[in-house]
Amino acid sequence: ETGVTQSPTHLIKTRGQQVTLRCSSQSGHNTVSWYQQALGQGPQFIFQYYREEENGRGNFPPRFSGLQFPNYSSELNVNALELDDSALYLCASSLAASGGETQYFGPGTRLLVL
Amino acid sequence: AQSVAQPEDQVNVAEGNPLTVKCTYSVSGNPYLFWYVQYPNRGLQFLLKYITGDNLVKGSYGFEAEFNKSQTSFHLKKPSALVSDSALYFCAVRPDTGGFKTIFGAGTRLFVKA
Repeated sequence: ETGVTQSPTHLIKTRGQQVTLRCSSQSGHNTVSWYQQALGQGPQFIFQYYREEENGRGNFPPRFSGLQFPNYSSELNVNALELDDSALYLCASSLAASGGETQYFGPGTRLLVL
Repeated sequence: AQSVAQPEDQVNVAEGNPLTVKCTYSVSGNPYLFWYVQYPNRGLQFLLKYITGDNLVKGSYGFEAEFNKSQTSFHLKKPSALVSDSALYFCAVRPDTGGFKTIFGAGTRLFVKA
C-alpha cells in the first residue's frame, strides 16, 4: 500500500450539486495529480498541482477545480455535477513534478451522481 | 493526437506459462513509459517504468517490460504467471515535453488459470 489516502471512499450526489474530494499525499511528496476513471476505462488526467500551483491540465471543463495546501494535501472540487461525472476519482502523489517521476496512487473515491 | 493502445481487452494464460500484455503508443519525442496494476476496488499500483537506457526494464513481482522505440511499444512480460497476477493492467505514457499529462491505455484484464 502507498501512503496516499483519499476521503471519502464513496459518495452519492444528485445532478447540479457540488462535491469536494480530498487527498493526502505520501510523506515527502510535493506533487499531486488527479484522475477520473470511468467504469471500464483507463484513468483520464484532470490536473496536476506542484507546490500549491496548478502546472498541467487535461481536457476537463473549468467546473473541475483544485487546491493544494502547504502540507501538499489536495482537494478536487466539482461544481454543477452531471451524470457523466460518476466515476472513480484517483489522486496520485510524486516526489517532484518532472516527467519521469513515479506516481503513487491512493485507493480512490467512488462518486455516483443521480 | 497522443494515444496509448492496449489491443487486448483480456489475456488468458495458464499458471506457470509466460505472459505478455501489449502496449503501443503514439506520442512524439522520448516519452516516459509506465505499467500499473489495479486490483478490484483498489487504486493503481506501480509496477515498473522506462526512462532511458536498457530496453529491458525489471520491476515488481517478477514483471519486466521491453521497450521498442522503432515499434513504439512497451510490452509487459513475466516468465511464469501466478494465479495471483490476475488483475487489470494499465500502460501509461507521459510526454517529455508540454506539461505533465499522463495518458493511460484502456487496460487489459489478465486472467491466470490454475
